[in-house]
Amino acid sequence: GQSLEQPSEVTAVEGAIVQINCTYQTSGFYGLSWYQQHDGGAPTFLSYNALDGLEETGRFSSFLSRSDSYGYLLLQELQMKDSASYFCAVGSAAGNKLTFGGGTRVLVKP
Amino acid sequence: NAGVTQTPKFQVLKTGQSMTLQCAQDMNHEYMSWYRQDPGMGLRLIHYSVGAGITDQGEVPNGYNVSRSTTEDFPLRLLSAAPSQTSVYFCASSYSTKNEQFFGPGTRLTVL
Repeated sequence: GQSLEQPSEVTAVEGAIVQINCTYQTSGFYGLSWYQQHDGGAPTFLSYNALDGLEETGRFSSFLSRSDSYGYLLLQELQMKDSASYFCAVGSAAGNKLTFGGGTRVLVKP
Repeated sequence: NAGVTQTPKFQVLKTGQSMTLQCAQDMNHEYMSWYRQDPGMGLRLIHYSVGAGITDQGEVPNGYNVSRSTTEDFPLRLLSAAPSQTSVYFCASSYSTKNEQFFGPGTRLTVL
């Protein structure tokens, strides 16, 4: 089976930096994805890491270490609109099953 | 492009009733999936399909059926609704799980 662990909640102020960690256990690894979901909305894709290292997309960056079964999402220059839940997800050995973590709720305060 | 569409947006059922949640995509994606999301929790995979005529079970398939007769459509059937199936249901599509998953707006289902 597969399992993912991420913190349940993080609070930070506008302009700050937040790191959301994700550790996973999976039988075969097909990349680590990150999704954002605002309250009442649908998840939207943020990033995908298949190889070790850092991927940067604007204010958001995602990191993967396959040897440590670990990744993180880095949110920089936090804005109020970044208040949302963030989910990590991994693909199964066949690559066809995507398993999501329980989500990290990020609250940005003025 | 409409992306991924889901109907209905809201539905209330009585225990034992059956219904079909509709999902359609116009992006020619091979991979489609259904998730349920309970309050304050992550998404759990119900069923998925890697192409027309091919479906498989996810993490929580009991009480649900799917079929994939066309690339565009992937309906989810609740056979006999139970209160434990009260949830928000999301349909998603993509070229593969290694690519960006596009989610529909969700169906909020309440079973009384």
